[in-house]
Amino acid sequence: DAGVTQSPTHLIKTRGQQVTLRCSPKSGHDTVSWYQQALGQGPQFIFQYYEEEERQRGNFPDRFSGHQFPNYSSELNVNALLLGDSALYLCASSFRAMSSGANVLTFGAGSRLTVL
Amino acid sequence: AQKVTQAQTEISVVEKEDVTLDCVYETRDTTYYLFWYKQPPSGELVFLIRRNSFDEQNEISGRYSWNFQKSTSSFNFTITASQVVDSAVYFCAYQTGANNLFFGTGTRLTVIP
Repeated sequence: DAGVTQSPTHLIKTRGQQVTLRCSPKSGHDTVSWYQQALGQGPQFIFQYYEEEERQRGNFPDRFSGHQFPNYSSELNVNALLLGDSALYLCASSFRAMSSGANVLTFGAGSRLTVL
Repeated sequence: AQKVTQAQTEISVVEKEDVTLDCVYETRDTTYYLFWYKQPPSGELVFLIRRNSFDEQNEISGRYSWNFQKSTSSFNFTITASQVVDSAVYFCAYQTGANNLFFGTGTRLTVIP
């Protein structure tokens, strides 16, 4: 049973470019969350998708956008890249985000983005 | 706002030593959840434990144990008889019913053979 898979694993972009990162959730999961982890820091919540809609958003600018597809997979898009966007982007999946209680998130290995 | 503090940035121990990783949190919520995750060099965060705010029972799982004390807003993690495979970055995290995790800055544990 595959866990959370992310692609690409590594990529390099230049300032001003746009990037799309992809995530396939764990089988049986319907909710996808994205986190940004800068070097030496803890992951920071970007946003969460459930039923193909953005349900929650962290403190990130509109340059960060996403999408969830009917098969529950998700994309993270970042426009007008800045040097400070260099980070490990982690995708996490869970089941039934809107249920009460805390769901355990299953994380992927991340996509490491370097902006030059 | 919620806040999670892991004051220890790096810890080194010799194999077979015990080590405790500290986690202190701040919140005004009455219902919340606390987590520990392990991040090996591969990058993915591996779930270790979840605790809700109404359950202060300590838990032991093999060489791992957790001490949750609401009175001091702490949720500490102890590894007994550490092994080289325990080397990783460990994150404490806080979650409300909204399901987004607030992570601490992590503690890098190095176990020296």
